[in-house]
Amino acid sequence: EVQLVESGGGLVQPGGSLRLSCAASGFTFSSYWMHWVRQAPGKGLVWVSRIKSDGSSTSYADSVKGRSTISRDNAKNTLYLQMNSLRAEDTAVYYCARGLLWFGEPSYMDVWGKGTTVTVSS
Amino acid sequence: DIQMTQSPSSLSASVGDRVTITCRASQSISTYLNWYQQKPGKAPKLLIYAASSLQSGVPSRFSGSGSGTDFTLTISSLQPEDFATYYCQQSYSTLWTFGQGTKVEIK
Repeated sequence: EVQLVESGGGLVQPGGSLRLSCAASGFTFSSYWMHWVRQAPGKGLVWVSRIKSDGSSTSYADSVKGRSTISRDNAKNTLYLQMNSLRAEDTAVYYCARGLLWFGEPSYMDVWGKGTTVTVSS
Repeated sequence: DIQMTQSPSSLSASVGDRVTITCRASQSISTYLNWYQQKPGKAPKLLIYAASSLQSGVPSRFSGSGSGTDFTLTISSLQPEDFATYYCQQSYSTLWTFGQGTKVEIK
């Protein structure tokens, strides 16, 4: 069964750091782009970041650029999101998702994890 | 950034109704448009990719159309399990964006 399981969320103070993990199983992790998407309480979905299958290319939303780093360990089938200088507005459920290509370009996300909750509060 | 605007933000419909949700992009995005369904407390689920391609396992009552700036998601005959929030998402630009969502409620 294709599965993504996030972990690492929790309560952190403003200005703190957190590293989220996403464990993949049931597919060849090293062949796929991977994404992070977040959802603040009662709000809509916001794309956060993506990384190429071999880790050679990354992109970030403006809201996290410079404060977050996406990475992956293909030997461990695990995706990461290191988040620094956390703010109250980073409070959200963070989902990892598998990315697929359309005409060779990253295009959509077909498998999602259940999410991990990050709360930034003093 | 490309802005995605969905309409309506919410709607009430009955089982068996035909439902149409619209998504408009702030600039042309060709057919780089996807639709997701999300139920409360659950992860999003991919319904439609590349504007009109039905994801495997998704019922055929769901369909998508459009290109350029205007897109629609249609549910031909609403079923009880379809009451959820629907999001469009563009992948034309490097920075992806979602619409604000359309909540489909029971009438």
